[in-house]
Amino acid sequence: AQSVTQPDIHITVSEGASLELRCNYSYGATPYLFWYVQSPGQGLQLLLKYFSGDTLVQGIKGFEAEFKRSQSSFNLRKPSVHWSDAAEYFCAVGTGAGKSTFGDGTTLTVKP
Amino acid sequence: DGGITQSPKYLFRKEGQNVTLSCEQNLNHDAMYWYRQDPGQGLRLIYYSQIVNDFQKGDIAEGYSVSREKKESFPLTVTSAQKNPTAFYLCASGTLEDYTGELFFGEGSRLTVL
Repeated sequence: AQSVTQPDIHITVSEGASLELRCNYSYGATPYLFWYVQSPGQGLQLLLKYFSGDTLVQGIKGFEAEFKRSQSSFNLRKPSVHWSDAAEYFCAVGTGAGKSTFGDGTTLTVKP
Repeated sequence: DGGITQSPKYLFRKEGQNVTLSCEQNLNHDAMYWYRQDPGQGLRLIYYSQIVNDFQKGDIAEGYSVSREKKESFPLTVTSAQKNPTAFYLCASGTLEDYTGELFFGEGSRLTVL
């Protein structure tokens, strides 16, 4: 069965610093991978997605993610974090049947 | 604007009462989903539907019921059989054309059982 692990429950970074959120997945076939962001009390918004091709994908709000098949990872990065990036981030794997499995999320706090 | 509308945003109910959460989408998506979110537990799938008048149980369907009478609507009823109904509920939709699992979410409904 497919699964997604986000090893870091909570990460704190200073504004302007770089960010990397980790995501490892387990899935037997070629994965469809997603990163979503959730502000408190809101729904989830898609940041970026990987289906195939170039392993470095660009998303909204200056985020990017790199797919590494050998490590079963899809880590999210941002070169310089803004205070408005404070939120919860979810990694997900699409199973190809229209469904997705989500990680438990990583909460990002941004220090001024 | 196209999107998913969930209502109500906040709902309070007494124990033993059934409650129904509304979810409407105008994205012309075939598939709709209900997720439950609890702190530290990510999103867990309750029910999903890929076509009108058909739906399937997700991972935590016990104590919940759904209907899909129209393509645009997928209401969720939290019944009195649900042992711990206080949670944040998210409705989502997706196209089945590419079958990737990309989802579009509503703003959520927070249910508190007193």
